[in-house]
Amino acid sequence: KQEVTQIPAALSVPEGENLVLNCSFTDSAIYNLQWFRQDPGKGLTSLLLIQSSQREQTSGRLNASLDKSSGRSTLYIAASQPGDSATYLCAVRANNAGNMLTFGGGTRLMVKP
Amino acid sequence: SQTIHQWPATLVQPVGSPLSLECTVEGTSNPNLYWYRQAAGRGLQLLFYSVGIGQISSEVPQNLSASRPQDRQFILSSKKLLLSDSGFYLCAGQREGFGEQFFGPGTRLTVL
Repeated sequence: KQEVTQIPAALSVPEGENLVLNCSFTDSAIYNLQWFRQDPGKGLTSLLLIQSSQREQTSGRLNASLDKSSGRSTLYIAASQPGDSATYLCAVRANNAGNMLTFGGGTRLMVKP
Repeated sequence: SQTIHQWPATLVQPVGSPLSLECTVEGTSNPNLYWYRQAAGRGLQLLFYSVGIGQISSEVPQNLSASRPQDRQFILSSKKLLLSDSGFYLCAGQREGFGEQFFGPGTRLTVL
């Protein structure tokens, strides 16, 4: 059974810092991995989708990498801003799980001005 | 682009009362649809998914049921709510195939 872990559970940084959020998964046979952002009391916003054949994806100040063999993904946020404060979730779709996503517990990020 | 609509945004219901949460999709046809629950301080739990009209798969045995009466409509129901049904319910969609999932704004359900 696929398990997804995100470390740290919470992170507080001053504005302007570059930061890395980690996601690990136990079964490397994945189809893709998706990073989401969730603001308090809101739904999830998709940030980046990495297919299993890709090593990384970039969108603006965000860069997500995937190392399938080691079961790891990182989300890099450059020049963090207070507006980046939110919970970040990663989710993997395993090869043998059809369309189902397995979510990590999330990293709650606070960027202080 | 695809958009998921959910209503109501918040709901407070007494124990034992019925429930109906609705989700509709714009911008794509024949989507895969999902219901998730997010309990306070916990991750997302997949409850139901549907690959087409009338086709429902349940991931977790529980007090809830789902129906898909139309291609772009997904309904979560209960005949009698329990305290443990409280949580944040999210509907998600996905274009046919293995693309990314996109989420609605969620419904906050409190059962008293």
